[in-house]
Amino acid sequence: QQQVKQSPQSLIVQKGGISIINCAYENTAFDYFPWYQQFPGKGPALLIAIRPDVSEKKEGRFTISFNKSAKQFSLHIMDSQPGDSATYFCAASSRGDYKLSFGAGTTVTVRA
Amino acid sequence: SQTIHQWPATLVQPVGSPLSLECTVEGTSNPNLYWYRQAAGRGLQLLFYSVGIGQISSEVPQNLSASRPQDRQFILSSKKLLLSDSGFYLCAWSGMGATYEQYFGPGTRLTVT
Repeated sequence: QQQVKQSPQSLIVQKGGISIINCAYENTAFDYFPWYQQFPGKGPALLIAIRPDVSEKKEGRFTISFNKSAKQFSLHIMDSQPGDSATYFCAASSRGDYKLSFGAGTTVTVRA
Repeated sequence: SQTIHQWPATLVQPVGSPLSLECTVEGTSNPNLYWYRQAAGRGLQLLFYSVGIGQISSEVPQNLSASRPQDRQFILSSKKLLLSDSGFYLCAWSGMGATYEQYFGPGTRLTVT
């Protein structure tokens, strides 16, 4: 079964708008939450990651918000640009586990 | 810096033919290595992972196998391809031990006809 549930499946945002992607998990042992960005025909690239000891992490226009009690985390893309159009995957892992559990992905389209 | 290579980039193979995809990593030692498959417009399915030479863990029983003949080389194989084996195959690596960050290669697009 999928351990990380991601929504929405796709979204369209205007240039300059905010894109928000949400993920939820059940396994309380998860302690690492990365986001990957994938352009068509390319491998996913690690975008940003957070650990549960902080509630927010920001890198440029990308921000992860983490709610430990709700077992949810989200990616916010501020001032969205056409170059941000891609598929985004959330993931989770736990200490001692060699594997990442991935969400199903969200395709973001930024309209100019 | 570390680099991960995959080849070939694209491959068209008939049903029933064999398969060999190769992945190599440069710039690191004793990496963990992973094979994923991504169907068109879908998510990432972990197929195999390896924490050392000759150590292979299979996640999904199927028509494929993996081998790790050298520390930084990971091979995905099949004796007889099925139509359902078509997809985008991605290799990834992470640092030695149970480290979190995984880094993906450029992928191989396989079409089985």
